[in-house]
Amino acid sequence: DIVMTQSPDSLAVSLGERATINCKSSQSVLYSSNNKNYLAWYQQKPGQPPKLLIYWASTRESGVPDRFSGSGSGTDFTLTINNLQAEDVAVYYCQQYYSTPLTFGGGTKVEIK
Amino acid sequence: EVQLLESGGGLVQPGGSLRLSCAASGFTFSSYAMNWVRQAPGKGLEWVSGISDSGDSTYYADSVKGRFTISRDNSKNTLYLQMNSLRAEDTAVYYCAKDLMSVVPSYFDYWGQGSLVTVSS
Repeated sequence: DIVMTQSPDSLAVSLGERATINCKSSQSVLYSSNNKNYLAWYQQKPGQPPKLLIYWASTRESGVPDRFSGSGSGTDFTLTINNLQAEDVAVYYCQQYYSTPLTFGGGTKVEIK
Repeated sequence: EVQLLESGGGLVQPGGSLRLSCAASGFTFSSYAMNWVRQAPGKGLEWVSGISDSGDSTYYADSVKGRFTISRDNSKNTLYLQMNSLRAEDTAVYYCAKDLMSVVPSYFDYWGQGSLVTVSS
């Protein structure tokens, strides 16, 4: 199974500043035949189901503000939230879909400083 | 508008059984793989099972293999999860999630609101 490790577990960022969340996979999730990274990011607010933010490591889902961006390749990935807004307070998860069983990172809680 | 509505959750004793349902609408159900993802109280997300668009292929997490069975009825636009031999560690909110692919589970663009399953004596 591919183990997904997120860091940090939580972070507090001032409004308008940048939040950076890291995700590392135990093996590469880059599929060589199509040069795509099988990595997604989700946002989960309290009492709500997760919401898809990013897929293929860096493609933003329709309707997601452009302050959210994903980067990385192979085993190391980053979700960046620029100009943090109050509504971005949530837990963020990465997920690999390179192989089953699909696996999620442990989550990173983002709060306002 | 895509809607996924789970039902069937509740309190069950250890060793018992429960069947979850997920009624889908707003998209061509038979064209997409579907999944179940669970979240234990205060914990992270765990993928449980996935099924291809036709229902011919099924996939399971090791933690539920042999105890849970995923199925779908494309004529009723409904996804199911039959859960047998339930354990306390199966206690969680179970989400139905629509896949972007058709055959192999991938990532999820729509989620239901979840159905709480509590396994306790």
